[in-house]
Amino acid sequence: AQKITQTQPGMFVQEKEAVTLDCTYDTSDPSYGLFWYKQPSSGEMIFLIYQGSYDQQNATEGRYSLNFQKARKSANLVISASQLGDSAMYFCAMREGKTGANNLFFGTGTRLTVIP
Amino acid sequence: DSGVTQTPKHLITATGQRVTLRCSPRSGDLSVYWYQQSLDQGLQFLIHYYNGEERAKGNILERFSAQQFPDLHSELNLSSLELGDSALYFCASSARGPSTDTQYFGPGTRLTVL
Repeated sequence: AQKITQTQPGMFVQEKEAVTLDCTYDTSDPSYGLFWYKQPSSGEMIFLIYQGSYDQQNATEGRYSLNFQKARKSANLVISASQLGDSAMYFCAMREGKTGANNLFFGTGTRLTVIP
Repeated sequence: DSGVTQTPKHLITATGQRVTLRCSPRSGDLSVYWYQQSLDQGLQFLIHYYNGEERAKGNILERFSAQQFPDLHSELNLSSLELGDSALYFCASSARGPSTDTQYFGPGTRLTVL
């Protein structure tokens, strides 16, 4: 089974509008971390936001917020007030806490296009 | 700028050859991770080093090897290259190994095998 599922290959959003990128995860580990990364066309991977499995509140970083629904195993990224520079691939990733392994499992990504 | 550096940025080589990719982690970070991003496999974890010691292996081929040196920089060696090894190779670093620390990625090395 896929550990991270991103079901939206592509999304469009009007500039200045908000957009939600979906991510569901699968793990039996009670301790895990969820991450979102942005990959612009230039190729680098930029860290956006982190949510720990024991965190009581949803994470926020500027215009980014993570809608964490533990029972549904979802960790959707919300981008508010979209800007043209937000056009990129967005990857959801998970780190499991078992055995001290710290590597990330990535989803297939969502390509976001911001329309002027 | 994440603070992680990778060289070279681009690498073009032929099948059967051997190449070395280099990574310098953020200042103070002890952990280095290598990932491969290809069109068919997506982003896959290859290997993790912590303070010079191998900590975890992912889907790394036997033709590939890595090491982390005392100054904490890391090298990924790819040998007997095949067309399918063409990919973007990322290095990431984090402060500690078995923790929740965020991994910060370098700009990547784009490898093209002809």
